[in-house]
Amino acid sequence: ETGVTQTPRHLVMGMTNKKSLKCEQHLGHNAMYWYKQSAKKPLELMFVYNFKEQTENNSVPSRFSPECPNSSHLFLHLHTLQPEDSALYLCASSQDLLAGGADTQYFGPGTRLTVL
Amino acid sequence: QKEVEQDPGPLSVPEGAIVSLNCTYSNSAFQYFMWYRQYSRKGPELLMYTYSSGNKEDGRFTAQVDKSSKYISLFIRDSQPSDSATYLCAMTSTGFQKLVFGTGTRLLVSP
Repeated sequence: ETGVTQTPRHLVMGMTNKKSLKCEQHLGHNAMYWYKQSAKKPLELMFVYNFKEQTENNSVPSRFSPECPNSSHLFLHLHTLQPEDSALYLCASSQDLLAGGADTQYFGPGTRLTVL
Repeated sequence: QKEVEQDPGPLSVPEGAIVSLNCTYSNSAFQYFMWYRQYSRKGPELLMYTYSSGNKEDGRFTAQVDKSSKYISLFIRDSQPSDSATYLCAMTSTGFQKLVFGTGTRLLVSP
């Protein structure tokens, strides 16, 4: 596997379910991100981790719970979601937040989430 | 007012046309400007990156930044059907931690 991978690629869940999204990066990066992409809306930054420490929570509801056990893996735990949470959830990674300047973010293919 | 405005399209052009994609922004602190390309069912990939004002060229792609007008452009010369995708502009003031994205413009290049 190369780059940034995400599993599952598609997920359908009920509002009472609990599920998790997984992201893995094979680039040796230290910063990882979760974004939400909804139709006709800009990408919304949700969480940022740098060297496993959360550095940004962009006022995300507590029904979304991130976890970063190491610099290569990032999870997004989901529980009691709402239909309006249906979207494409993208993971990204970059070298690290201390690099400054052109710290390019590399995106995974996303998980298409549908909440019934 | 949104921080970054981008026409969602779709923009339909014939193969070989010159394509112009644009974004306007309101935050004068933005210094780093990026264009991402996103194919259907894929994540965005960085296409072009520029710092401050000026032009940058890479093959058939040219990125322009006019900070005085708060306007950025991406030009695609000799467009190909394989260029059909959604193009997202993104920008930030310092570093890449908090990129602010446009909504994306969907481009369709017909053979």
